[in-house]
Amino acid sequence: GNSVTQMEGPVTLSEEAFLTINCTYTATGYPSLFWYVQYPGEGLQLLLKATKADDKGSNKGFEATYRKETTSFHLEKGSVQVSDSAVYFCALLGGTSYGKLTFGQGTILTVHP
Amino acid sequence: EAGVTQFPSHSVIEKGQTVTLRCDPISGHDNLYWYRRVMGKEIKFLLHFVKESKQDESGMPNNRFLAERTGGTYSTLKVQPAELEDSGVYFCASSHQRGNYGYTFGSGTRLTVV
Repeated sequence: GNSVTQMEGPVTLSEEAFLTINCTYTATGYPSLFWYVQYPGEGLQLLLKATKADDKGSNKGFEATYRKETTSFHLEKGSVQVSDSAVYFCALLGGTSYGKLTFGQGTILTVHP
Repeated sequence: EAGVTQFPSHSVIEKGQTVTLRCDPISGHDNLYWYRRVMGKEIKFLLHFVKESKQDESGMPNNRFLAERTGGTYSTLKVQPAELEDSGVYFCASSHQRGNYGYTFGSGTRLTVV
């Protein structure tokens, strides 16, 4: 079956620091990969996605590249802000999971001024 | 357009009681999904409706959970009787087409069983 392994947190950074949250996956076939974010008190929001190998998803300064050779989709941001504090989830769609997402366990990010 | 609405946002019930969660999807979205996140763990799929039909309920943990989607509009998820391990955040999502393209999540219902 499909699985997603995500860097455990919590991650605490100072404003303007560089962020990396690691994500690796196991899936058959060619899944699509996603990063979701949950801000305090809000629902899950799609942050970015990539649908095939070597695609780079980007949004709000965040980037992630679909690496098939290493089965990874690490999330990066060059300079985090306090407003980026949230829970980040890596997820995949496809392979054996037709229509349903497989999520990682989530990483809590706290950014201090 | 209005988003996916879930209520209540929070519910605290005693073990053995019944709780019903509701999800109103985006109008016109045939696909409706329920997911659950138990404290600190990954978000797990529970089930998928296409209109009023259950397309996939492979993630439902046991027969204490009953999901319905009468008329293909809103959906309810009933837990009866609730157990301590049912505590978590229940998310609903809807999409026009199967798959993630256009998947919109609600803000979730936090269920605490004491």
